[in-house]
Amino acid sequence: NAGVTQTPKFQVLKTGQSMTLQCAQDMNHNSMYWYRQDPGMGLRLIYYSASEGTTDKGEVPNGYNVSRLNKREFSLRLESAAPSQTSVYFCAGTPGGTNYGYTFGSGTRLTVV
Amino acid sequence: DQQVKQNSPSLSVQEGRISILNCDYTNSMFDYFLWYKKYPAEGPTFLISISSIKDKNEDGRFTVFLNKSAKHLSLHIVPSQPGDSAVYFCAASARGAGNMLTFGGGTRLMVKP
Repeated sequence: NAGVTQTPKFQVLKTGQSMTLQCAQDMNHNSMYWYRQDPGMGLRLIYYSASEGTTDKGEVPNGYNVSRLNKREFSLRLESAAPSQTSVYFCAGTPGGTNYGYTFGSGTRLTVV
Repeated sequence: DQQVKQNSPSLSVQEGRISILNCDYTNSMFDYFLWYKKYPAEGPTFLISISSIKDKNEDGRFTVFLNKSAKHLSLHIVPSQPGDSAVYFCAASARGAGNMLTFGGGTRLMVKP
């Protein structure tokens, strides 16, 4: 089982460029999440999808958009990258309900120059 | 303002001794608390959790204590092993917030042989 797979693992962007971070899970999770990790800030929720067909903003959604393409896939898009978006991005999934057992992907390290 | 805080960015412990990682929270609506462990270049993995109706939960070498009146929880690792060296994140979920977790900033634990 691959679990939660994120691509790419590393990316360098120039300010103003756009890109999409991909996330796919094979665990039949209903809920999926995008977090960013910054030093001393822990993981902060960007967007989440409680179930297929729904998406909602988290704590730090500005500058990002998401798509829940199907139950398996949840992508994060940066339309015009800024240096403040330099971070490590984690996708996570959970079955939903009261199960808080997130399964995280291995992360995408993004640098915006 | 961070609702979940881990005030110690790092902790160094000798192998075989006890490691105590602390976490404070401010939101009275939090009713479920979790600890995640993260190795470099990997996503966080679930370690142990506790419901607000309990004050202690134990799983092998790991014990989590919850003091609701002080809005404080701690993770005890006994005995500590070099393989426990990682970043530990405290996380909390609020009633009515579905599966969304709020994370602390993390504590880097180093266990010296």
